[in-house]
Amino acid sequence: DQQVKQNSPSLSVQEGRISILNCDYTNSMFDYFLWYKKYPAEGPTFLISISSIKDKNEDGRFTVFLNKSAKHLSLHIVPSQPGDSAVYFCAASEGSNYKLTFGKGTLLTVNP
Amino acid sequence: NAGVTQTPKFRILKIGQSMTLQCTQDMNHNYMYWYRQDPGMGLKLIYYSVGAGITDKGEVPNGYNVSRSTTEDFPLRLELAAPSQTSVYFCASSYSGQNQYFGPGTRLTVT
Repeated sequence: DQQVKQNSPSLSVQEGRISILNCDYTNSMFDYFLWYKKYPAEGPTFLISISSIKDKNEDGRFTVFLNKSAKHLSLHIVPSQPGDSAVYFCAASEGSNYKLTFGKGTLLTVNP
Repeated sequence: NAGVTQTPKFRILKIGQSMTLQCTQDMNHNYMYWYRQDPGMGLKLIYYSVGAGITDKGEVPNGYNVSRSTTEDFPLRLELAAPSQTSVYFCASSYSGQNQYFGPGTRLTVT
């Protein structure tokens, strides 16, 4: 039972264009969502997060949108850069539960 | 400030052998976690700890044990290694339990 789903295993975009990575969840108790970025042979690094009381959070080139009714969130990267090429994981947590549930990840490739 | 460190980086075990994966953090975080990542899959939680002396099972705890005698260290013990435990193991720590900081990982092969 996969509670956090990233249905696109990979995404390829041109440098300078927008990258949109999507994530769906099934557990309506999730109230905090995060995006992590992972380069090969390294651990994941925190990118951006959003609480369920918001529908948008922005940090520089990265924006996360949350649609609670659709149980869907997305990460927008504008403009995309070759250094953004990595695997992006969506993760979610529930209340005071100190655990994260991760999606399978999406490999983003930004072509120069 | 080294963050989260893990040793070893790589290890090959024979079936039935045991080993301990080390994890140390220097951020004074109470929360610590062990995950495994299999190819093409997300991270699955093995064990976690909310403070020294307190540990609990995650999603995939079978075949593993942990202890948390200090705030800084959270070792993961594999007893009787099996091929199904071939994976990349990540340790993480957190101040709040949400934004987690990950170590570089340990790549383990059991043959």
